Amino acid sequence: DAKTTQPNSMESNEEEPVHLPCNHSTISGTDYIHWYRQLPSQGPEYVIHGLTSNVNNRMASLAIAEDRKSSTLILHRATLRDAAVYYCILMDRAAGNKLTFGGGTRVLVKP
Amino acid sequence: ETGVTQSPTHLIKTRGQQVTLRCSSQSGHNTVSWYQQALGQGPQFIFQYYREEENGRGNFPPRFSGLQFPNYSSELNVNALELDDSALYLCASSSDFLSYNEQFFGPGTRLTVL
Repeated sequence: DAKTTQPNSMESNEEEPVHLPCNHSTISGTDYIHWYRQLPSQGPEYVIHGLTSNVNNRMASLAIAEDRKSSTLILHRATLRDAAVYYCILMDRAAGNKLTFGGGTRVLVKP
Repeated sequence: ETGVTQSPTHLIKTRGQQVTLRCSSQSGHNTVSWYQQALGQGPQFIFQYYREEENGRGNFPPRFSGLQFPNYSSELNVNALELDDSALYLCASSSDFLSYNEQFFGPGTRLTVL
């Protein structure tokens, strides 16, 4: 499985944007970039995914580098409820619909 | 629409015992995956079931086994429990194996092995 590298933790102030980087230099052409987050005492929840183009949804935006070796999850206005561990995951179609989690980035949002 | 549910919430077993964990998929979902999450780590993929057949397995020994039923609910069975099996066990369901849609996770079962 292709690996991802994320910072262990990040801090943000409430109502400010948060940019979460992810490096995936060994990404293959069939890997999709998925982001999940895990709030305290809950199972992970889907945030967003993309292949090549930038993506937006109601939760966040995903900016993908042109060479696809890195990506950035953007939370436009962090709230206290966004405090969670954010996981950047590469999903290989050939390997099926499984998620290979790394250590993730723990996001702390300060009021 | 009912989300993914898991039972029990917590469980305490002793080394060498066997345990069965249960998962009810979200309505309409035909794929279920199981993950093990040790304290402070990301979840690790155990295996996946698609329409009652095992469809992929992670690096877990055969004493970890599973079933998926016609109503797409699922069980995870662990035999000969070891102390290192203590973890949060998560199941996740999705609607279509081929479309790589988002997976919906349950709240997990916390297993403690003494």
